Amino acid sequence: AQKITQTQPGMFVQEKEAVTLDCTYDTSDQSYGLFWYKQPSSGEMIFLIYQGSYDEQNATEGRYSLNFQKARKSANLVISASQLGDSAMYFCAMRAGDSNYQLIWGAGTKLIIKP
Amino acid sequence: GAVVSQHPSWVICKSGTSVKIECRSLDFQATTMFWYRQFPKQSLMLMATSNEGSKATYEQGVEKDKFLINHASLTLSTLTVTSAHPEDSSFYICSARLAQETQYFGPGTRLLVL
Repeated sequence: AQKITQTQPGMFVQEKEAVTLDCTYDTSDQSYGLFWYKQPSSGEMIFLIYQGSYDEQNATEGRYSLNFQKARKSANLVISASQLGDSAMYFCAMRAGDSNYQLIWGAGTKLIIKP
Repeated sequence: GAVVSQHPSWVICKSGTSVKIECRSLDFQATTMFWYRQFPKQSLMLMATSNEGSKATYEQGVEKDKFLINHASLTLSTLTVTSAHPEDSSFYICSARLAQETQYFGPGTRLLVL
């Protein structure tokens, strides 16, 4: 079965510290893609970062990096130098196989940055 | 780039009326658009996948006669909640896919049915 697991319902982090949000996935497909989205209280889903299963390098986008460990089936999001504006829900998602590009979503992690 | 708009952002309607929500890709042509529903403090629930010019593919348990989807062009998809009832109150959000894998989301529509 294809599944995304985010085991951290919520996290508190001090401003300027780095934070790692956990995501593990389960799929038997060889070709898949992993995504992280941010959802602030306004509701919109903001695309952060993407990692393809065949990508050898970990994806990075500014302060965001994806720690892709294929053997462990994990795709953790690392936010460096956290800011107050990073407070939001974060969702990990996976596109697997011939899914018409549908995404399988994790339950999300609520991140709160403390000043 | 990759901006998706959604209209309206908020709608309050009486039970029994129909509500139309528009999803537009503003600066790109979307091969595929998706409609999701999200309950408070929960993840996204895919309702249907819409390809331009063809009928939408609905997820199991989603009534296609209740949630009408029209994807008339590569930049516009609409979701019509027909004969809305209070249990249809929710946050509805669309996404549009570029040629690559990434889905870009609209800002969402909060529906409240009285």
